[in-house]
Amino acid sequence: EAQVTQNPRYLITVTGKKLTVTCSQNMNHEYMSWYRQDPGLGLRQIYYSMNVEVTDKGDVPEGYKVSRKEKRNFPLILESPSPNQTSLYFCASSKQGAHTGELFFGEGSRLTVL
Amino acid sequence: AQSVSQHNHHVILSEAASLELGCNYSYGGTVNLFWYVQYPGQHLQLLLKYFSGDPLVKGIKGFEAEFIKSKFSFNLRKPSVQWSDTAEYFCAVADSSYKLIFGSGTRLLVRP
Repeated sequence: EAQVTQNPRYLITVTGKKLTVTCSQNMNHEYMSWYRQDPGLGLRQIYYSMNVEVTDKGDVPEGYKVSRKEKRNFPLILESPSPNQTSLYFCASSKQGAHTGELFFGEGSRLTVL
Repeated sequence: AQSVSQHNHHVILSEAASLELGCNYSYGGTVNLFWYVQYPGQHLQLLLKYFSGDPLVKGIKGFEAEFIKSKFSFNLRKPSVQWSDTAEYFCAVADSSYKLIFGSGTRLLVRP
């Protein structure tokens, strides 16, 4: 089954404790991206990757890091989480790019930073 | 910077009512346009998309959208909604860059 898998789905952590949200897709997609969803603000792009070893900032990259060492994986790293990073995070992938076709989304990871 | 506006944040309809959700964008060049839907507790799914050609686009589940270039709009419509259409709907626009910009979303509640 074609899917984008995120882990963990739910996480409560404390300020400053490094965490990683993993994302994996099994569709051999070139493009992967991270979004955060906040009430009234819709989805805002954090980082995206056009291919392995190629990443670029989205609209809200501050406080986040990513890496794309393999095509299927695109982890999101919060080096020192803060309460304003409490949000619902979605990973997404696409064959060529978000602008050319359908984005496939993961189930979401709800993060709370105390 | 490009922006996407969804004017209706919350819409409440009764079953069988007609639906129209507004979407306007700010970019003046060539754009690709999308509507995504997020059912309660689920991830986003593509409803329909427009790249070029016939400005009236038909998607899944009876939804359609009309691209009006002169108005920078891409409104979503459905002639008769069902309770199962209760969801949040997001308009998204992509220009010549690799970015996809989402609107803030419209929450639709359909009462049985």
